[in-house]
Amino acid sequence: GEDVEQSLFLSVREGDSSVINCTYTDSSSTYLYWYKQEPGAGLQLLTYIFSNMDMKQDQRLTVLLNKKDKHLSLRIADTQTGDSAIYFCAETRTGGFKTIFGAGTRLFVKA
Amino acid sequence: EAEVAQSPRYKITEKSQAVAFWCDPISGHATLYWYRQILGQGPELLVQFQDESVVDDSQLPKDRFSAERLKGVDSTLKIQPAELGDSAMYLCASSVPGQANTEAFFGQGTRLTVV
Repeated sequence: GEDVEQSLFLSVREGDSSVINCTYTDSSSTYLYWYKQEPGAGLQLLTYIFSNMDMKQDQRLTVLLNKKDKHLSLRIADTQTGDSAIYFCAETRTGGFKTIFGAGTRLFVKA
Repeated sequence: EAEVAQSPRYKITEKSQAVAFWCDPISGHATLYWYRQILGQGPELLVQFQDESVVDDSQLPKDRFSAERLKGVDSTLKIQPAELGDSAMYLCASSVPGQANTEAFFGQGTRLTVV
């Protein structure tokens, strides 16, 4: 995960919006993803965006992609305590479909 | 609901011993991945299979790690001998080929502790 960077922690109040940011390095990446990992569990794919898109919305989740700055963000609207987890940004590079993960952002939701 | 099965969930082993993990992917998924996730880090790809063939094992420490998927279905990852630094979560994932990991499904992982 050395080429995908995320801040390690984020704390928000229940009901507020959460914004988790990620920067990546490979401009040829085709897909960018957000995964969620709850304690003791595997990774769950939340959403993904193709590199020719700028935005994708799926219910409470909004993904924004700024290709010029190689910046990806995940916005969670109306954050709930059940959203507390680690969120991983990942990119798939062309040629071999190798997926590189960031170190993860731990989201704390305060009631 | 179909899921990726991994066994065991937890494994404690002494260093220099051999250890093996098993993964059964979702039926019909030709692509299978083994990832290692060290505490506090993101998953790192160890090996990727397409059916029974290895397509990427560039990050697999081949002096001690081996992986096989003999019949193109379930897979085994082995470490021999285990070292203290191998303590991590080992995640298996599977997907339908040609979809660039967009539909990769992860198992719950095997947490390995080497003492």
